[in-house]
Amino acid sequence: DIQLTQSPSSLSASVGDRVTITCRASQSISTYLNWYQQKPRKAPKLLVYAVSNLQNGVPSKFSGSGSGTDFTLTISSLQPEDFATYYCQQSYSTPYTFGQGTKLEIK
Amino acid sequence: QVTLKESGPVVVQPTETLTLTCSVSGFSLSTPRMGVSWIRQPPGKALEPLAHISSNDETSYITSLKTRLTISKDTSKSQVVLTMTTMDPVDTATYFCARTQRGAFDYWGQGVLVTVSS
Repeated sequence: DIQLTQSPSSLSASVGDRVTITCRASQSISTYLNWYQQKPRKAPKLLVYAVSNLQNGVPSKFSGSGSGTDFTLTISSLQPEDFATYYCQQSYSTPYTFGQGTKLEIK
Repeated sequence: QVTLKESGPVVVQPTETLTLTCSVSGFSLSTPRMGVSWIRQPPGKALEPLAHISSNDETSYITSLKTRLTISKDTSKSQVVLTMTTMDPVDTATYFCARTQRGAFDYWGQGVLVTVSS
């Protein structure tokens, strides 16, 4: 199974900041990388698919980049509703594994 | 409108078999390039994909649990069923089903918390 490693595991930031989360795959996954946001006691929400494509309704403050084994999710101008846990997920091969998550907290 | 809803027991005893059903609406389980996965999340921990079934009935499982899992579907009933044998307290988790499109999980059920306890 393909392993995904996210960094950092947790991150403190202030409203208005810009943050970047990194996801590294254990082997090349081309551009088969997706990002999710999860709030407490809720199902995850798809934000970005295929590295950089925003899911319908997701604001342009979210952006993704990368290819091969290294990927990033950037969130600009943080607002209170952005503080959540973020997961990357590979769709290169089944099982479609996730990273361990990055918890974004308010400083 | 696409929806998925999980159903099943909220408490199972150790060594028992868990059976969960995902009822879907708003799309067909035979739609090409779509599938349904089961994903679990232990309290306070990360998401773990368990099993996937594609529109053409291909199945896949996470390697570490492969011997305990079976996924199947009934297209006429719009249901996907997951069975997990020999349940243990470490299997306590919220179990989600989710639709996959292009390999991304674009719609999720609300999840069901399953507790393994005697």
